Amino acid sequence: AQTVTQSQPEMSVQEAETVTLSCTYDTSESDYYLFWYKQPPSRQMILVIRQEAYKQQNATENRFSVNFQKAAKSFSLKISDSQLGDAAMYFCAYRSLISNFGNEKLTFGTGTRLTIIP
Amino acid sequence: NAGVTQTPKFQVLKTGQSMTLQCAQDMNHNSMYWYRQDPGMGLRLIYYSASEGTTDKGEVPNGYNVSRLNKREFSLRLESAAPSQTSVYFCASSRRSSGSLTGGWETQYFGPGTRLLVL
Repeated sequence: AQTVTQSQPEMSVQEAETVTLSCTYDTSESDYYLFWYKQPPSRQMILVIRQEAYKQQNATENRFSVNFQKAAKSFSLKISDSQLGDAAMYFCAYRSLISNFGNEKLTFGTGTRLTIIP
Repeated sequence: NAGVTQTPKFQVLKTGQSMTLQCAQDMNHNSMYWYRQDPGMGLRLIYYSASEGTTDKGEVPNGYNVSRLNKREFSLRLESAAPSQTSVYFCASSRRSSGSLTGGWETQYFGPGTRLLVL
């Protein structure tokens, strides 16, 4: 079974600075997807960024980028120019297939609470 | 599009009571999911439905039942609520992929959550 580990329960960063959230995972599969979801105080789960395991190029979405190290099974999220609206819980998630119908099963880490200091 | 909607937003139950959490999506997605979120444990899959008329157990199905009423709606039922079921429940949906991991993104879209307190 796949596992996802986020070893930083809490992080804080000064507004406009850069912060990196860590995520490691364990799997025996060779192809899979990885995701970062953001959960603000509203509790809505919002997709931040996603990465295909077979792609060597790191995904980027505006101020958000990942450092994907497949051999090390590491998938960190970098937030540049941090803004007050970035304050939230961030969850790393692994996607595997659970049936022949091509369903997604998301395995989540325990989350990192990010605080932005004005 | 409203996306994924859930009702109710918040519910208090007494031990032994039953209730149904409702979920609906208007994105024409085939697959739907129920997760629970507990402090310090991330989200865990309770049940999922690949398509209308099919349901399967996830990681933590005990104490729950589900119904895929039609393509849009996927309900979660607690027949006899227990304090251990106090949690935040999320419904999610996604398009069915082509069956290939490289067939494209099948991102899951989440509802706003239902906070359930069992006394």
